[in-house]
Amino acid sequence: DTAVSQTPKYLVTQMGNDKSIKCEQNLGHDTMYWYKQDSKKFLKIMFSYNNKELIINETVPNRFSPKSPDKAHLNLHINSLELGDSAVYFCASSPRRAGSNEQFFGPGTRLTVL
Amino acid sequence: GNSVTQMEGPVTLSEEAFLTINCTYTATGYPSLFWYVQYPGEGLQLLLKATKADDKGSNKGFEATYRKETTSFHLEKGSVQVSDSAVYFCALSDSTDKLIFGTGTRLQVFP
Repeated sequence: DTAVSQTPKYLVTQMGNDKSIKCEQNLGHDTMYWYKQDSKKFLKIMFSYNNKELIINETVPNRFSPKSPDKAHLNLHINSLELGDSAVYFCASSPRRAGSNEQFFGPGTRLTVL
Repeated sequence: GNSVTQMEGPVTLSEEAFLTINCTYTATGYPSLFWYVQYPGEGLQLLLKATKADDKGSNKGFEATYRKETTSFHLEKGSVQVSDSAVYFCALSDSTDKLIFGTGTRLQVFP
């Protein structure tokens, strides 16, 4: 009965490879997000989608491409991985009701680029 | 632009001590304010929230009051436990609905 799930939990790969992280939510929310947490625990939004449409793109390199096949899924594909991409990536979802934007986070995917 | 500033950590306390973690924000309009907690090796969990001025959010003994006049949302708990050891993030939700986080404050509670 996991609300927001991500796979894989850990991802170790070589520089230059292409990898994907998957996210699914079973909360019936319309909006989903990707956040990046760096080694100092700083969290920053990367993208958000509402009903499969991109609504926020926070000047992320175009090597990162989100894909939303339906409103319950938001996957993150990363091309030509670089050392600086090593981080924990969190998916989140929100009902985006007026007056409240409580977001529910997945467990995170720790990406290590060697 | 909108931003959140939190006190530097780590905060180190003995069990049953009083906790305050300061958080101030800069925002246009009327953001919603949140405290999230991240336990070791886990994702973020919403701890409490407040959506308008003078609202008090509370959960698990933690409290925070939305103070528009001082643009603050300080987190407090009267008696901390070892199990409260975690990283605490203050955040605001702006008009675009994205969350803007502070840098996080690590809390370490010793028995």
